[in-house]
Amino acid sequence: ETGVTQTPRHLVMGMTNKKSLKCEQHLGHNAMYWYKQSAKKPLELMFVYSLEERVENNSVPSRFSPECPNSSHLFLHLHTLQPEDSALYLCASSQDLRGRGETQYFGPGTRLLVL
Amino acid sequence: QKEVEQNSGPLSVPEGAIASLNCTYSDRGSQSFFWYRQYSGKSPELIMSIYSNGDKEDGRFTAQLNKASQYVSLLIRDSQPSDSATYLCAVMAFGNRDDKIIFGKGTRLHILP
Repeated sequence: ETGVTQTPRHLVMGMTNKKSLKCEQHLGHNAMYWYKQSAKKPLELMFVYSLEERVENNSVPSRFSPECPNSSHLFLHLHTLQPEDSALYLCASSQDLRGRGETQYFGPGTRLLVL
Repeated sequence: QKEVEQNSGPLSVPEGAIASLNCTYSDRGSQSFFWYRQYSGKSPELIMSIYSNGDKEDGRFTAQLNKASQYVSLLIRDSQPSDSATYLCAVMAFGNRDDKIIFGKGTRLHILP
């Protein structure tokens, strides 16, 4: 248990559905991240939030929409996804973005399957 | 393009032997280095972090950093079957707006009983 929780743990959705992934951290951290992990690929950073402000968006398609209402919660809203978006979506948090506080702690992930 | 390279493996090591995992990185400005362990179907978990040249030991794990040669390694002594997992190397530079943590693809380690 790392102090980072994610729901749901598994999600199956059609290409026309709208769903949201939720992440919550209980560590008092200031930075939160969304990653995508596909088979045979390195972890792909999707979004970074620091103190609720988005500071990184690695050219992620607009069908993925993040929301960070406060420093403890992070959402990833999904809309009109493609089958190639099927992957493990990992949330992580760190104390800070830079310096020695950047060690990231991961949630258990949401396994997403797009049909 | 900043890159982190790892041999994908699988690396097979007999139980009780030393497992050596290597990682090279391209960004000379990198300051922070991490090793994560990821079991199949699970999320990554942090094993070691290292920031200075040299060795850092924690139990059976030793991280080694050589910034001049741009490599970081992880040694696992007295390997156990429970060490069988994928090990992810992660590297971060900081000090400008573009800094971010970059992960390698991971090395699959298999400890042979």
